[in-house]
Amino acid sequence: DQQVKQNSPSLSVQEGRISILNCDYTNSMFDYFLWYKKYPAEGPTFLISISSIKDKNEDGRFTVFLNKSAKHLSLHIVPSQPGDSAVYFCAASAIFGNEKLTFGTGTRLTIIP
Amino acid sequence: SAVISQKPSRDICQRGTSLTIQCQVDSQVTMMFWYRQQPGQSLTLIATANQGSEATYESGFVIDKFPISRPNLTFSTLTVSNMSPEDSSIYLCSVSLDSSAGNTIYFGEGSWLTVV
Repeated sequence: DQQVKQNSPSLSVQEGRISILNCDYTNSMFDYFLWYKKYPAEGPTFLISISSIKDKNEDGRFTVFLNKSAKHLSLHIVPSQPGDSAVYFCAASAIFGNEKLTFGTGTRLTIIP
Repeated sequence: SAVISQKPSRDICQRGTSLTIQCQVDSQVTMMFWYRQQPGQSLTLIATANQGSEATYESGFVIDKFPISRPNLTFSTLTVSNMSPEDSSIYLCSVSLDSSAGNTIYFGEGSWLTVV
C-alpha cells in the first residue's frame, strides 16, 4: 500500500518556466511533509518542508503548497534551471514522536535548455 | 544541517558474504536511520538506531539480516549479511535534526552495493 504517491514518474520543463511536482498521500496521520532532490549516485538533499499548520512555505525559488483536505501537496520551482534536473521525492511523517519518513516513488524532472 | 559521511561509497560483493557500512555524523544526534533504495524504487526505511538501545526494524527487515550498531551519538554501522543479488541497493544513513518547522531528516551520500 503506497501511502505517498507521486503519479508522474517524469516531467520535462523548459528552462525559465515553472516546474510543478505533485504528491498525494492517504494516511491522515501525516502531519509534516518534505521534498528531497536526488542526483544519481548521491544521497537525497533536503529542499523544503511544510507542516500541516501552514498551507504554503517558500524558500527562494522553491515553494511548497499543502492542501490538507485533498491530501495533496505540490512543489513549485520557478524559474527552472538546468541544475534542477534530478529526481524529486516527496516524503511524509507524523510530527509528534515519529521522525520516520515515508517516501513517494519520485518524479524525474528534466529541464530543457 | 549535518555532514554525514558513509563508507564505503560503493562496493561489489560476492554472494553469501557480509559487508558493514559505516556512518559518521559531524554532530551528536539522538536518532539515526538506515534506508535502502533498490534500483528503480523509492527509499524504504530499514530501521531506526538510537544510541544505547536496540535498533527498531521495520516490517520486512530483521536483525539477523541487517544487524546495526550505534555505539555513540555520532556513529552507526549497518551490516548486510549473507548477501544475495536482491540486496543490490543504495544504502543510506540519515539523521534527524530539529528545525523551526519540525524534525528534518538529512541523508548521507549513500553506499552503493552490487552483489554478484
